[in-house]
Amino acid sequence: ETGVTQTPRHLVMGMTNKKSLKCEQHLGHNAMYWYKQSAKKPLELMFVYSLEERVENNSVPSRFSPECPNSSHLFLHLHTLQPEDSALYLCASSQEGDRLYEQYFGPGTRLTVT
Amino acid sequence: AQKVTQAQTEISVVEKEDVTLDCVYETRDTTYYLFWYKQPPSGELVFLIRRNSFDEQNEISGRYSWNFQKSTSSFNFTITASQVVDSAVYFCALSEATGGGNKLTFGTGTQLKVEL
Repeated sequence: ETGVTQTPRHLVMGMTNKKSLKCEQHLGHNAMYWYKQSAKKPLELMFVYSLEERVENNSVPSRFSPECPNSSHLFLHLHTLQPEDSALYLCASSQEGDRLYEQYFGPGTRLTVT
Repeated sequence: AQKVTQAQTEISVVEKEDVTLDCVYETRDTTYYLFWYKQPPSGELVFLIRRNSFDEQNEISGRYSWNFQKSTSSFNFTITASQVVDSAVYFCALSEATGGGNKLTFGTGTQLKVEL
C-alpha cells in the first residue's frame, strides 16, 4: 500500500450504532488529520494529531472520538450520530518540521447516517 | 481569522480552452503557505502546488500555471488547453502555522467541467 488509505470507503449506519473509521499512512509522516466534507460547504478540519498528540479539536461534538495509537494510524470512533453527520470524512497526513508541508489525503469514507 | 474565497462556484469550458480559477485569501500572518488541490469524482484530494508567502514567482508545470500576487492577496490557477480529465473540483487553501500541525483553511471550491 502506498500513500494514505482509508477504510471503509462507504458506511451506512443507524443513529444508535457504533462504528469506527480507520486511516493509515505509508509516507512516514508525523502529523495526521480528520476533515469533514459536506455538500456545498468548505472542508472542515475536525482533529489534528502531531507526534501522536492531539493538538486541535475544532469544537467537534463528543459523538466523534479520535484515536491515534501511533504515527501511522488514525481512527475516528462514531456513536449516536445524527443524520446531519452524513458526509465524506477525509483523512490526511503531513510531515511536520521547520517548514509547512502539503497534506496528502486519503480517498475518504462516505458516511450515511439513517 | 484566516479566510479563503473562491468566488467561482462552477465553470464550464470546452476542451482546449484556457481557464483561470480565482483564489483570494485573508490572513494576518506574515509567513503563510498557499495550496491548490484537485478533487476528481473519486473523492481523493490531490495535491497540486505549495507556495510560501516569500516566493512570489509564478510557477508553471505543464499545462498548469499559478499567479501569486501578495498585493491583491490572490493565488490564481490557470489551466491551458483544458482537457476532459481536468474536470474536477479545485480547492485553494491557506495554512496556519501555530500550535503544531499544519492547519489548512480551505475555500469552498470551484467545480470545473470540461466538455468536448
